[in-house]
Amino acid sequence: EVQLVQSGAEMKKPGESLKISCKGSGYTLTDYWIAWVRQMPGKGLEYMGIIYPGDSDTRYSPSFQGQVTISADRYINTAYLQWSSLRASDTAMYYCARPVVPAAIRGPNDAYDIWGQGTMVTVSA
Amino acid sequence: EIVLTQSPGTLSLSPGERATLSCRASQSVSSSYLAWYQQKPGQAPRLLIYGASTRATGSPDRFSGSGSGTDFTLTISRLEPEDFAVYHCQQYGSSPPTFGQGTKVEVK
Repeated sequence: EVQLVQSGAEMKKPGESLKISCKGSGYTLTDYWIAWVRQMPGKGLEYMGIIYPGDSDTRYSPSFQGQVTISADRYINTAYLQWSSLRASDTAMYYCARPVVPAAIRGPNDAYDIWGQGTMVTVSA
Repeated sequence: EIVLTQSPGTLSLSPGERATLSCRASQSVSSSYLAWYQQKPGQAPRLLIYGASTRATGSPDRFSGSGSGTDFTLTISRLEPEDFAVYHCQQYGSSPPTFGQGTKVEVK
């Protein structure tokens, strides 16, 4: 079964750092891009950025450029989203998602048919 | 970036009724690269439609998508109890991909 399994919920204080993970199974991570999507409480979905684990080519939404870092370790089939200094406004559910079409056929822009279960990040003093 | 506006914000209907959801783009969506997702409370989004009108694997045939350019529609022909949820549209024809704010389909 193809799936993305994300790391567990996190509670952090403002100013702390954090790295959350998304592990792919049932397929080869380097065959597809992996995107990160934010959902703030009671709000819609926001595209943050995307990485191709094969060569770590990374694209960020302008809204998130410089605010987060997306990375991947192809050897353990895992993508990451990290913050160097969290703010209360980072409180949200974060999803990783896999595009419908393999990277060899289409570039990073695609619909997403495989989603992780989400990682809830709460930032509060 | 392309802004997607979904309407209505909330749709109150009864099981068995037809639901029509709208997604309007601020610019033309390239190649009809428009997707629809369903999201239930506490769950990740689920892909229903991509390419404006292609049903995703496992998506019931009561869900259909249409439209092109700047105006797109998701139609649920007869609402089943499990269809009451929030629906999001997404364009992926231009960078960055963007989502609408969502339409909630609730029980009347």
